[in-house]
Amino acid sequence: GENVEQHPSTLSVQEGDSAVIKCTYSDSASNYFPWYKQELGKGPQLIIDIRSNVGEKKDQRIAVTLNKTAKHFSLHITETQPEDSAVYFCAAPSRRALTFGSGTRLQVQP
Amino acid sequence: DAGVIQSPRHEVTEMGQEVTLRCKPISGHDYLFWYRQTMMRGLELLIYFNNNVPIDDSGMPEDRFSAKMPNASFSTLKIQPSEPRDSAVYFCASSFGSDTQYFGPGTRLTVL
Repeated sequence: GENVEQHPSTLSVQEGDSAVIKCTYSDSASNYFPWYKQELGKGPQLIIDIRSNVGEKKDQRIAVTLNKTAKHFSLHITETQPEDSAVYFCAAPSRRALTFGSGTRLQVQP
Repeated sequence: DAGVIQSPRHEVTEMGQEVTLRCKPISGHDYLFWYRQTMMRGLELLIYFNNNVPIDDSGMPEDRFSAKMPNASFSTLKIQPSEPRDSAVYFCASSFGSDTQYFGPGTRLTVL
């Protein structure tokens, strides 16, 4: 099955700085890579995803890059704001479901 | 759409009792997933259904756990008998096709 590793486990940045979270996956056949944001007491919410036919996708302050050769993908958040503080999960397909990374707790200091 | 609906939001029970968690997926979605989230193990897939049929239950921890989907708008996850190590947040998610999943708010289960 798919194995997804996520780093770092915690990340603290100053408001306005950028944050980068990285994930690696094992199944070279994987072709869909979503990122979820989980706020305290809530379920994970999809924030951006990328498919294997593109190398980068942007949505306002959020971008995701994909390197299929190296089997890794990254989440980039620019101009971070306190409301970006949450746990972020990457995921990759496995058995037609998703295997999630272990999560990154992002703290944006005002 | 109201999104994925789960009930109850919180459940406290005693060891040995039966627990039933409920989920209503987004209308029109054909996949339904049950996950468990703990600090130690993160987000784990327990079971998923396609068109109300269980496809993969290899994540179900043991025979005490069972899940059903009697129709396209309702699913249950049952634990009988419950044990303290079952304490976790249980999420239901649904999707149309097998990629983008939409999660419910979760049920926080505490087994004393």
